[in-house]
Amino acid sequence: EVQLLESGGGLVQPGGSLRLSCAASGFTFSTSTLSWVRQAPGQGLEWASTISVTGSTTYYGDSVKGRFTISRDNSKDTVYLQMNSLRAEDTAVYYCAREVLPGYFDLWGRGTLVTVSS
Amino acid sequence: EIVLTQSPGILSLSPGERATLSCRASQSVRSNFLAWYQQKPGQAPKLLIYGASSRATGLPDRIVGSGSGTDFTLTISRLEPEDFAVYYCQQYGNSPLTFGGGTKVEIK
Repeated sequence: EVQLLESGGGLVQPGGSLRLSCAASGFTFSTSTLSWVRQAPGQGLEWASTISVTGSTTYYGDSVKGRFTISRDNSKDTVYLQMNSLRAEDTAVYYCAREVLPGYFDLWGRGTLVTVSS
Repeated sequence: EIVLTQSPGILSLSPGERATLSCRASQSVRSNFLAWYQQKPGQAPKLLIYGASSRATGLPDRIVGSGSGTDFTLTISRLEPEDFAVYYCQQYGNSPLTFGGGTKVEIK
């Protein structure tokens, strides 16, 4: 089955760190551009980050730039999102998505909830 | 950054009726690189339309995307029970990728 499965979400204090993982199956991961898109509770969608097929190029939205780092391990069919200096406004469901260039998303995971609160 | 404004915010309709959803961009979307997604409660978004009018695999004919430049429309000709959801537009012609605020199609 073609799918993306996120993990690693949870409750973290402001200023803390968390690493999300997204495991892919059912398609050729190493030739796929992957992204993270987030959705705050009751709100709309916000693109956060994208990584190229080799991992050599990464892109970030302004709200996460300098705090989040996207990476991938093509030997494990997994993409990661390292989140540092977390803020309350980072509270959201984080979705992993396969990006079809030049930039729409044709496959989404179920999401993992990150809650930043003291 | 391109801002996408979706209207109306909420659309109250009955099954069998026609739904017309609007997505307006703050500047022209390059090459009409606009996508539409459907999201149901507790679920991930699902791709419906890309390139303003190209259907995703398996999308029924009653759902049609149209438009160009700054004005785009998603039309559902006859609402089925499974169509009641929130719909988002997204532009991918300019960086950063941006989404509209969504239109909720609810049962009247």
